[in-house]
Amino acid sequence: NAGVTQTPKFRILKIGQSMTLQCTQDMNHNYMYWYRQDPGMGLKLIYYSVGAGITDKGEVPNGYNVSRSTTEDFPLRLELAAPSQTSVYFCASSDMLKGQGREQYFGPGTRLTVT
Amino acid sequence: QQQVKQSPQSLIVQKGGISIINCAYENTAFDYFPWYQQFPGKGPALLIAIRPDVSEKKEGRFTISFNKSAKQFSLHIMDSQPGDSATYFCAASYGQNFVFGPGTRLSVLP
Repeated sequence: NAGVTQTPKFRILKIGQSMTLQCTQDMNHNYMYWYRQDPGMGLKLIYYSVGAGITDKGEVPNGYNVSRSTTEDFPLRLELAAPSQTSVYFCASSDMLKGQGREQYFGPGTRLTVT
Repeated sequence: QQQVKQSPQSLIVQKGGISIINCAYENTAFDYFPWYQQFPGKGPALLIAIRPDVSEKKEGRFTISFNKSAKQFSLHIMDSQPGDSATYFCAASYGQNFVFGPGTRLSVLP
């Protein structure tokens, strides 16, 4: 299993541009998440999904959109990029149905710079 | 209520020493407390986790101590090794809602 994969690894955007960060998991997990990590800060939840077709806002959703058309994929869309969106973005997945802990499996991250 | 506080911000320990990182939470609805380890350029990875019905959990050199009444929990790394040098995040969760602490950068000197 590849686990959670994210593309691209790095990206530089100009202010006002748009882009989609891709996230795919091959563990058949029902829950998926998007976080951003700023220097010296913990992970902040942007959006999450409890299954295909269901998404919900996290702590910092403004400026982002998500969709979940399949169990495997959970893309994050940035519209009208702003310098405040410069960050490292992590996608994660977990499976609650197995009844044990809620281990989140993280992807390797996408480092985004908006200039 | 949703915040998880973590200290210290950074920690330097000699090889073989004990590393201790502390976290505190407010929301009593939290019922799962994981610790994540993150190496530079990598995503966080689960290290060890505890539920509030136990006061301590040990896995190898890593131990979580949990004080439910004080709403505090801590990570102890025994016999710290240079390979333990990383950033450590505590988190608190209820349902699928996770709140992370700001992280502690641990450096273990050889």
